[in-house]
Amino acid sequence: SAVISQKPSRDICQRGTSLTIQCQVDSQVTMMFWYRQQPGQSLTLIATANQGSEATYESGFVIDKFPISRPNLTFSTLTVSNMSPEDSSIYLCSVEVPGTGYGYTFGSGTRLTVV
Amino acid sequence: AQSVTQLGSHVSVSEGALVLLRCNYSSSVPPYLFWYVQYPNQGLQLLLKYTSAATLVKGINGFEAEFKKSETSFHLTKPSAHMSDAAEYFCAVSAAYSGGGADGLTFGKGTHLIIQP
Repeated sequence: SAVISQKPSRDICQRGTSLTIQCQVDSQVTMMFWYRQQPGQSLTLIATANQGSEATYESGFVIDKFPISRPNLTFSTLTVSNMSPEDSSIYLCSVEVPGTGYGYTFGSGTRLTVV
Repeated sequence: AQSVTQLGSHVSVSEGALVLLRCNYSSSVPPYLFWYVQYPNQGLQLLLKYTSAATLVKGINGFEAEFKKSETSFHLTKPSAHMSDAAEYFCAVSAAYSGGGADGLTFGKGTHLIIQP
């Protein structure tokens, strides 16, 4: 399966600031996915990042709050902007490497606490 | 649009007993279905997946699941529970998978599996 390196693993941030999360994959992939897991909750898809085009956001998530970059086939960033305590969550990136049959692989996540 | 319902936010079984975690899905297209496990403070690990091949799918750690289209179900089972199975289990659905055109996953709310000694 693909190996995903996600940074930072955790951070504590002041409200009103922004945090950029990086996701590096050891394989070239077309799609990269970003999820949020709020405390004690399930995962919710934030957006799909396709290299060379604008990310596609799910209902309830907007580009101004969660801008995404996808500069090449192995890397993506998610920024959480103008943070509030409600943004405290685990953010995960995920990929599916075509033809491997391994399903979707997830990064270890970024645990964000906003104070 | 897809959705997943996991019946039972908490399931408790005795060590050695049958594990049954329920998952029902809704999908406007033939679904691809997944079960993931999340141990405390760890990432998600794929247990098994259904991608329109065999309806009975065997996964890791002795788990298996059966896709039943007529019941729109994909329940997860294990014949004999082990203490190490205690974790959070998520059922997820995707409308498209692989070939470079994968969709993201829609997750159920999760089931916390408790193993009683």
